Amino acid sequence: GQQLNQSPQSMFIQEGEDVSMNCTSSSIFNTWLWYKQEPGEGPVLLIALYKAGELTSNGRLTAQFGITRKDSFLNISASIPSDVGIYFCAGLNAGKSTFGDGTTLTVKP
Amino acid sequence: GAGVSQSPRYKVAKRGQDVALRCDPISGHVSLFWYQQALGQGPEFLTYFQNEAQLDKSGLPSDRFFAERPEGSVSTLKIQRTQQEDSAVYLCASIPLRGANTEAFFGQGTRLTVV
Repeated sequence: GQQLNQSPQSMFIQEGEDVSMNCTSSSIFNTWLWYKQEPGEGPVLLIALYKAGELTSNGRLTAQFGITRKDSFLNISASIPSDVGIYFCAGLNAGKSTFGDGTTLTVKP
Repeated sequence: GAGVSQSPRYKVAKRGQDVALRCDPISGHVSLFWYQQALGQGPEFLTYFQNEAQLDKSGLPSDRFFAERPEGSVSTLKIQRTQQEDSAVYLCASIPLRGANTEAFFGQGTRLTVV
């Protein structure tokens, strides 16, 4: 079936640093989504990307939908302690999401 | 309610026991999805409903798993004769439109532990 490769698996950074994570797929997706999940909660949407090549920002977050529609990246600038959590990419076709295995972000004050 | 509600939040089952997990989607949302999230992994698709119709159940791992949404709103995921490998968080998500390529709204999940 479809699989997403998300990297890195984990990151330990200092507060104020920038962060970058990405996802690649062997399949094409019509929409790419980035979610954040905190302990005991369901994933919460951060950014949605609908067109190949699209670059979208949401505050300190920036994400891009790759031209080939098989990849996406998420950047977080000037990280703060509350950015801690697990970040998931998801490719979406006909409403059904395929998720990566997540990037666990730890931010040291 | 304002969001997707799942119950119970936590369930401990003895191996071989049957369990039923409930999902209340956002009112009026047409599409409803169930996902299974194992520890340290991303959610994996189980099944999809459009109103009361189960359109895709390709992700259900075995015939011990059964899902229904009889009136097109609340959904129940039932697992019969639970096994230890069924231990996971079960997430429910809903989308307002049918098959729309928009983001899903997730519930908090039910953490199932089979002992």
